[in-house]
Amino acid sequence: GIQVEQSPPDLILQEGANSTLRCNFSDSVNNLQWFHQNPWGQLINLFYIPSGTKQNGRLSATTVATERYSLLYISSSQTTDSGVYFCAALWSGNQFYFGTGTSLTVIP
Amino acid sequence: ETGVTQSPTHLIKTRGQQVTLRCSSQSGHNTVSWYQQALGQGPQFIFQYYREEENGRGNFPPRFSGLQFPNYSSELNVNALELDDSALYLCASSLSWTGELFFGEGSRLTVL
Repeated sequence: GIQVEQSPPDLILQEGANSTLRCNFSDSVNNLQWFHQNPWGQLINLFYIPSGTKQNGRLSATTVATERYSLLYISSSQTTDSGVYFCAALWSGNQFYFGTGTSLTVIP
Repeated sequence: ETGVTQSPTHLIKTRGQQVTLRCSSQSGHNTVSWYQQALGQGPQFIFQYYREEENGRGNFPPRFSGLQFPNYSSELNVNALELDDSALYLCASSLSWTGELFFGEGSRLTVL
């Protein structure tokens, strides 16, 4: 399999601040997704981004496949952004490998 | 469009028992994957079903088994439950040609 590492493991922000979450993977991947896990445990799709850059409102993501990393940007953070963010990489076959997550707390 | 639904949402079992978890895939999706998420960790792949057959398996013992039905819904069965099986079990559906995963709310299993 591959190793997927996320940083930082924990992040505390003041409401309105910006942040960058990083996901490194140890080998070339076919696909990459970013998720936000809500307090009830559901994984909410943020981005499906094997390469390039995508934006959705205050969130954007960039994957540089040749350098084996992806970044998730959160701008003007809100308390509702709190939770755990996971990246997941599809290396071969049908198995997505998840990182250990970044736990984000946004304080008012 | 109906999203991925899982049942039950919570359940408690004792060691040695058997459990069945159910998943209805998102409308139009033909592939179902199951993941186990232990507390404080990222989800780990159990297996995937496509066309009613297992189509890839992670590092889980044979007492973890599954089914997919003609309507693409799926079941995860775990026999001889162990304390370490306590976890959040997540079902995801996808289209076979994109692979993009869409998750349900999960089933939280506690084994006592």
